[in-house]
Amino acid sequence: AQKITQTQPGMFVQEKEAVTLDCTYDTSDQSYGLFWYKQPSSGEMIFLIYQGSYDEQNATEGRYSLNFQKARKSANLVISASQLGDSAMYFCAMREGGNQFYFGTGTSLTVIP
Amino acid sequence: DGGITQSPKYLFRKEGQNVTLSCEQNLNHDAMYWYRQDPGQGLRLIYYSQIVNDFQKGDIAEGYSVSREKKESFPLTVTSAQKNPTAFYLCASSYTSGGDNEQFFGPGTRLTVL
Repeated sequence: AQKITQTQPGMFVQEKEAVTLDCTYDTSDQSYGLFWYKQPSSGEMIFLIYQGSYDEQNATEGRYSLNFQKARKSANLVISASQLGDSAMYFCAMREGGNQFYFGTGTSLTVIP
Repeated sequence: DGGITQSPKYLFRKEGQNVTLSCEQNLNHDAMYWYRQDPGQGLRLIYYSQIVNDFQKGDIAEGYSVSREKKESFPLTVTSAQKNPTAFYLCASSYTSGGDNEQFFGPGTRLTVL
């Protein structure tokens, strides 16, 4: 079974609007971490936001927030007030008790002027 | 400035040749990783190392080899046994303790087999 599932290969959003990128995960560990990365066309991977499995509050970092629903095993990324520079690939990742990270297949986000 | 460097940025190889991709970090991270990314795809783990002189195979280790003689360095060799090596290769590192420690990535190496 896939550890991380991103079901949206591509998404479009109007500039200044909010967008939600979906991510579901599969683990039997009690302690794990969830991460979102942005990959622009240059190829670099940019860390955006982290959510720990024991965190009560949803993580927020500027315009990024993580909608963490533990019972549903989902960790959706919400980008508010989209900007043209947000156009990129977005990857959801999970780290379990060890040191291995698992990545989803990514969602390509295009921001429309 | 701390970070991860990968060299070269672009690499061309003839079929049948081995080639080594460099990865160096000065973040004092114990764990280092190599990923392969094909166009429009996610990241697939090739090898990872949690400590010097030790490393583990990832999901697609066949045709690749690594070494970890120093904490700062984790070179990846793409051997002639790798049937389809043209891809984008990303190196990453992280602390080993603490689930909230994200991976830091290098800028990547684009390998093209001619």
